[in-house]
Amino acid sequence: GENVEQHPSTLSVQEGDSAVIKCTYSDSASNYFPWYKQELGKRPQLIIDIRSNVGEKKDQRIAVTLNKTAKHFSLHITETQPEDSAVYFCAASDNDMRFGAGTRLTVKP
Amino acid sequence: SAVISQKPSRDICQRGTSLTIQCQVDSQVTMMFWYRQQPGQSLTLIATANQGSEATYESGFVIDKFPISRPNLTFSTLTVSNMSPEDSSIYLCSVSTGYVGETQYFGPGTRLLVL
Repeated sequence: GENVEQHPSTLSVQEGDSAVIKCTYSDSASNYFPWYKQELGKRPQLIIDIRSNVGEKKDQRIAVTLNKTAKHFSLHITETQPEDSAVYFCAASDNDMRFGAGTRLTVKP
Repeated sequence: SAVISQKPSRDICQRGTSLTIQCQVDSQVTMMFWYRQQPGQSLTLIATANQGSEATYESGFVIDKFPISRPNLTFSTLTVSNMSPEDSSIYLCSVSTGYVGETQYFGPGTRLLVL
């Protein structure tokens, strides 16, 4: 089955800096790659997703890139703000969605 | 996206008892899923709840321990049976408005503590 690895497990950046979170997946059949943000005590919220026929997608300050050959995808957050502090999960899906272990992002003001 | 509610939001239970968690969606959805999230951990899929058929369980989860119902396209229940402290966790339902592998949206979760 699918195995998703996510790095780093924790990330601390200064406000205004960029943050990058990377994930790799094992199943070449996976074709959908969402990213979720989970604030403390809240539900995971979808923030951006990408499908296998696209290499990059951007939505304001966040972007996701996908390299299908290397089987890895990344989340990029630019101009980080304290409210970006949360745990971020990547996922890869073919028939089943598998989640990475999560990255705890802290943005220091 | 769909509006998803769960009941109860939290509960404290005694070992050996059972708790049924309800998940309600404001629109008909094809796929419903149940996840478990241990504190500080990732999301682990328990099972996929299929309307009109048996739930499909992931490795390590069995129907006797986590029976699931899906009576219609807007509702599902997960029962945690014969609970032990190891079952203490957050249980989340998730829905997909499309087919398998499509975007999933999560309910608010049920925080369960077993004493």
